[in-house]
Amino acid sequence: GIQVEQSPPDLILQEGANSTLRCNFSDSVNNLQWFHQNPWGQLINLFYIPSGTKQNGRLSATTVATERYSLLYISSSQTTDSGVYFCAVEDGGTSYGKLTFGQGTILTVHP
Amino acid sequence: NAGVMQNPRHLVRRRGQEARLRCSPMKGHSHVYWYRQLPEEGLKFMVYLQKENIIDESGMPKERFSAEFPKEGPSILRIQQVVRGDSAAYFCASSGVESQPQHFGDGTRLSIL
Repeated sequence: GIQVEQSPPDLILQEGANSTLRCNFSDSVNNLQWFHQNPWGQLINLFYIPSGTKQNGRLSATTVATERYSLLYISSSQTTDSGVYFCAVEDGGTSYGKLTFGQGTILTVHP
Repeated sequence: NAGVMQNPRHLVRRRGQEARLRCSPMKGHSHVYWYRQLPEEGLKFMVYLQKENIIDESGMPKERFSAEFPKEGPSILRIQQVVRGDSAAYFCASSGVESQPQHFGDGTRLSIL
């Protein structure tokens, strides 16, 4: 099946810093989503981005499908950005509907 | 609130009992997915259902686990004769069609005593 690798595994920032999280995937995809899992365990949809670039406030994402990677940018980080960031993809082959998740990036933002 | 609704939020069972987890998809969504998150791990796909049909159950354990999405009512994930290793967070997601964004519920935290 498709492989999803996220980097870095852990990231520690001071409030106000910028960061870039990366997601590499091993095959073509129909769907790519970024999620934030907050300290209460809730999974928050950040972006649906199988290709192209999107922005939402301090967050933006870019997926280069031909090169099989996606980037999540967080600018002017805040303590509330802490948590785990997951990338998830749907295989562009026959696994319709099934999302494969990366292992996540654990982000800690200190005041 | 038109989001994905899961209940209960927390469920405690003793070894050998049955656990039933419920999921109501977003309004207008007919595709439901179940995922499991074991402690300190990422999320793993379990099963994909449409109304009255199981589309993909490649991630379901072969024994004790079953899922349904009846014509009326919520989707149910059923775990029979629970064991300690079943302790996890179980998330449900829904989408309007395949390959469109999946929207997740808040999960059910299952604890086995």
